[in-house]
Amino acid sequence: KAGVTQTPRYLIKTRGQQVTLSCSPISGHRSVSWYQQTPGQGLQFLFEYFSETQRNKGNFPGRFSGRQFSNSRSEMNVSTLELGDSALYLCASSSQLVYSYNEQFFGPGTRLTVL
Amino acid sequence: GESVGLHLPTLSVQEGDNSIINCAYSNSASDYFIWYKQESGKGPQFIIDIRSNMDKRQGQRVTVLLNKTVKHLSLQIAATQPGDSAVYFCAEIIIQGAQKLVFGQGTRLTINP
Repeated sequence: KAGVTQTPRYLIKTRGQQVTLSCSPISGHRSVSWYQQTPGQGLQFLFEYFSETQRNKGNFPGRFSGRQFSNSRSEMNVSTLELGDSALYLCASSSQLVYSYNEQFFGPGTRLTVL
Repeated sequence: GESVGLHLPTLSVQEGDNSIINCAYSNSASDYFIWYKQESGKGPQFIIDIRSNMDKRQGQRVTVLLNKTVKHLSLQIAATQPGDSAVYFCAEIIIQGAQKLVFGQGTRLTINP
């Protein structure tokens, strides 16, 4: 069974631009969560989608948004990029409805660099 | 405010020795704790979890201890192997309506041959 895939793996953008990252969950998984990882702030939860609905949201500004499609694939978008948005963006998928962290599988991440 | 932190940013141990990685948390309302392992170039991997009504849980070569009195969590890895080299971080989950997930900064574990 294929794991969680994220595209692209690396991305370079400039301040003010917007970016869209993609995540394909493990087949059959309906929950997709997004995380931001930086050396300074560590790993922070962005949001979680289940069956195309945002079920949970972290404390990030409205520039960060996401969506999930009927095939469970998810995208996250960051508008008006800032230097501080440079980070590794991780996606994780799970098949469970709730409290599924022990069955949550992470992708390799997308490394975003904002210049 | 809520925070999860780690006592040491780096830890070096000899192969075969036991490792202990520590984590302090500040929210007594946390319901659930997880330890993750993250190898270079990969996403985090779930290692072991523990609920707040437990004080110890064992897995394969790993043990998690929870001391709610001092709000301290530790991960013990027995007989460390080269493959244990990674960044380890803890996370706490607060279940109050919507779940809130707070991660620690991470400890880099290096295994010396």
